[in-house]
Amino acid sequence: AQRVTQPEKLLSVFKGAPVELKCNYSYSGSPELFWYVQYSRQRLQLLLRHISRESIKGFTADLNKGETSFHLKKPFAQEEDSAMYYCAFTSGSARQLTFGSGTQLTVLP
Amino acid sequence: GAGVSQTPSNKVTEKGKYVELRCDPISGHTALYWYRQSLGQGPEFLIYFQGTGAADDSGLPNDRFFAVRPEGSVSTLKIQRTERGDSAVYLCASSLNLGDPKQFFGPGTRLTVL
Repeated sequence: AQRVTQPEKLLSVFKGAPVELKCNYSYSGSPELFWYVQYSRQRLQLLLRHISRESIKGFTADLNKGETSFHLKKPFAQEEDSAMYYCAFTSGSARQLTFGSGTQLTVLP
Repeated sequence: GAGVSQTPSNKVTEKGKYVELRCDPISGHTALYWYRQSLGQGPEFLIYFQGTGAADDSGLPNDRFFAVRPEGSVSTLKIQRTERGDSAVYLCASSLNLGDPKQFFGPGTRLTVL
């Protein structure tokens, strides 16, 4: 079955420390991977897509097909990065998103 | 312009009642999606529309759930004979078209079934 796994429900780091949010997927084809973010009392919004190969708010994510992973990284975390992060993918002709269960990131001062 | 809007923001109902949840997508977006998010989980797909037609309703949990989009814009998710297990946040999203994977989400409707 197609699935996204985010192994950490909670993650805390200190401001200025590197942060990595893990995401693994199970799908035999070529998925399109995304990271969505939800800040406190705000709606879910797209952070980045693997196909764009861009850096948003200092975050990057590289698709590793061999390890079926799409981990989100930032070298120096900021307090305003505190939020819930969801990894998601679409596959083949399906246009709906399949989400992981999310990781709550807290950046401590 | 305005983003995706959803009404009501909160809905409390009793077991067995009927509810309707409304989604107003971004103007010009032809694709519309409904997801359900239970506590501690990520959103789960329910149904999506391209224009007026339901392109994929494979995520609807059972026949108590139904959704319409009669004019290709506003959509209504309808739940009959609500059960306590239907309590969740119902999210709506829209995208320019089905070929555009960038989905814009609404704020959600929190449904509580007592």
